[in-house]
Amino acid sequence: EVQLLESGGGLVQPGGSLRLSCAGSGFTFSTYAMSWVRQAPGKGLEWVSVISGTGGTTYYADSVRGRFTSSRDNSKNTLYLQMNSLRAEDTAVFYCAKGSSAYFSDVRFFDFWGRGTLVTVSS
Amino acid sequence: QSALTQFRSVSGSPGQSVTISCTGTSSDFGGYNYVSWYQHHPGKAPKLMIYDVSERPSGVPDRFSGSKSGNTASLTISGLQAEDEADYYCCSYAGSYSWVFGGGTKLTVL
Repeated sequence: EVQLLESGGGLVQPGGSLRLSCAGSGFTFSTYAMSWVRQAPGKGLEWVSVISGTGGTTYYADSVRGRFTSSRDNSKNTLYLQMNSLRAEDTAVFYCAKGSSAYFSDVRFFDFWGRGTLVTVSS
Repeated sequence: QSALTQFRSVSGSPGQSVTISCTGTSSDFGGYNYVSWYQHHPGKAPKLMIYDVSERPSGVPDRFSGSKSGNTASLTISGLQAEDEADYYCCSYAGSYSWVFGGGTKLTVL
């Protein structure tokens, strides 16, 4: 059974940093691209980033590019999202999602998701 | 990328059919038929219901079906059941290694 478990969320002040983790199990983690998707309170889902199966290539939404960095440790079956220069508008539940392919360019959908971790940016 | 447009809410009685629409531009859909739909019960993990416009993952009931015409994709749920009450989101590959979601539609089963 595929499982994704996010952690690392919490309350952080504007301008601060936070690192989220997503532990994957039940599939060969290194052979799939992974994404982060977020949902601000009362809003819809917003794609944030994608990372290839090897971790060598990443892409980001315009709203986070230059502030967020996605990485992965395939030896630990874990995906990370380093978030810097956080803003109030980054407040959201962050989900990790498994891509449908190892290559981000071939990802057509996200077939498994975690339950999310809440990030609150507030002073 | 702007979010794909979905009506905020839709409702139906048990046994009825409902259709949830998702509208974008040609650039939103990127000229690809890579539209997917997700069911989300608040507090739980979103669940893939439809991919590649009309394909159903194993385990998803055939009451769920998808289609696309021009710049509008649709999810139809027939034979509504109480457990179908959830938020539904469309998603499309938008090109340039980016994906765009709809704003979500809350389905209420009366």
